[in-house]
Amino acid sequence: DGGITQSPKYLFRKEGQNVTLSCEQNLNHDAMYWYRQDPGQGLRLIYYSQIVNDFQKGDIAEGYSVSREKKESFPLTVTSAQKNPTAFYLCASKEGRRTEAFFGQGTRLTVV
Amino acid sequence: DQQVKQNSPSLSVQEGRISILNCDYTNSMFDYFLWYKKYPAEGPTFLISISSIKDKNEDGRFTVFLNKSAKHLSLHIVPSQPGDSAVYFCAASSLYTGTASKLTFGTGTRLQVTL
Repeated sequence: DGGITQSPKYLFRKEGQNVTLSCEQNLNHDAMYWYRQDPGQGLRLIYYSQIVNDFQKGDIAEGYSVSREKKESFPLTVTSAQKNPTAFYLCASKEGRRTEAFFGQGTRLTVV
Repeated sequence: DQQVKQNSPSLSVQEGRISILNCDYTNSMFDYFLWYKKYPAEGPTFLISISSIKDKNEDGRFTVFLNKSAKHLSLHIVPSQPGDSAVYFCAASSLYTGTASKLTFGTGTRLQVTL
């Protein structure tokens, strides 16, 4: 089955620790995205990538980093510089010039 | 600066009736609009979309209307079913941004369909 897999579904980390969220897709999509959802704020774009070895900052990139070494994978690292890391993180991918993106099931990160 | 706005945080509709969810946008460069449905602790799923060259798009029980002059779109669900209860997000993109076509989302409207 083709799709987008995010792991883990729930993640707990201590304050000050970096943590990496996994996103893998087998849809052969070129573009991949990371969004963050907070209550009452909708989905906000963190980073996106159009092709391998290239990525751009979204609207709220501070405190986050990404890599795109393979077409299938777009991991997101939440660094200790992110002031409010507790949130629901969503990865998405999109094919070529189509406008609809398809989302993974999300990772809920809780920093204690 | 919220470029896509959903001013109604919640909506309650009786089963069988019509649900109307509204969305406003401010960026004139947006030329493609989408609606997503989201259940708690899950990723959004794509519902329906519309290009700015159209004013209506229909898919089964779902119809999206676009009023470009008012920068307003709406999603109609007829008839509403209990399984439609979810949060609905409006999203917009501009094809001028290239293949990445970033989606800008609204804050969502929680729809509850009651029996």
